[in-house]
Amino acid sequence: AQSVTQPDIHITVSEGASLELRCNYSYGATPYLFWYVQSPGQGLQLLLKYFSGDTLVQGIKGFEAEFKRSQSSFNLRKPSVHWSDAAEYFCAVVPGGSGGYQKVTFGTGTKLQVIP
Amino acid sequence: DAGVIQSPRHEVTEMGQEVTLRCKPISGHNSLFWYRQTMMRGLELLIYFNNNVPIDDSGMPEDRFSAKMPNASFSTLKIQPSEPRDSAVYFCASSAGALNTGELFFGEGSRLTVL
Repeated sequence: AQSVTQPDIHITVSEGASLELRCNYSYGATPYLFWYVQSPGQGLQLLLKYFSGDTLVQGIKGFEAEFKRSQSSFNLRKPSVHWSDAAEYFCAVVPGGSGGYQKVTFGTGTKLQVIP
Repeated sequence: DAGVIQSPRHEVTEMGQEVTLRCKPISGHNSLFWYRQTMMRGLELLIYFNNNVPIDDSGMPEDRFSAKMPNASFSTLKIQPSEPRDSAVYFCASSAGALNTGELFFGEGSRLTVL
């Protein structure tokens, strides 16, 4: 069955430290991959997306993610975390390919806490 | 440009009452989604409309839930009668294009509490 796994439910990092949030997927072909961020009391906002091409994608707010086909992963990174990055982060996957409706599958989310 | 607008932001009601949640998608977007978010189940897709037509309603929990999209700028999600287990945050999202590419624009959500 198709699935998206975010193995870390909660991560705490110090402000200024680097960050990596993990995402693994289980799909037959190369899917479309996304990271969304949800601040408390808000809806989800798209951080970045990967459809094809360069496997390192840049997003908003200084985030980047790297698609690794061999590992079925799409990890989110940021070199230096700011206190305002504290939020919940969701990896999402669409099967990709062409033709017809495709359902987005969201991971269970990783809550990021940033400490001074 | 205005984003996806949802109302009400908060709703507290008693079991058995009818609840109507409203959504105005981004102008020009022809796909609209209703999601439900809970701690236990995470984000669940309830229903997907394309060009005002329901395409995927497999996530609608039961007959108590219904959704309509009478025109391109308005959708409703109705729960009748409501039950305490319906307590959740309900999100509306919209996107451009006929196929669901996953690029969704979310509203701020409607937090529903059923007592």
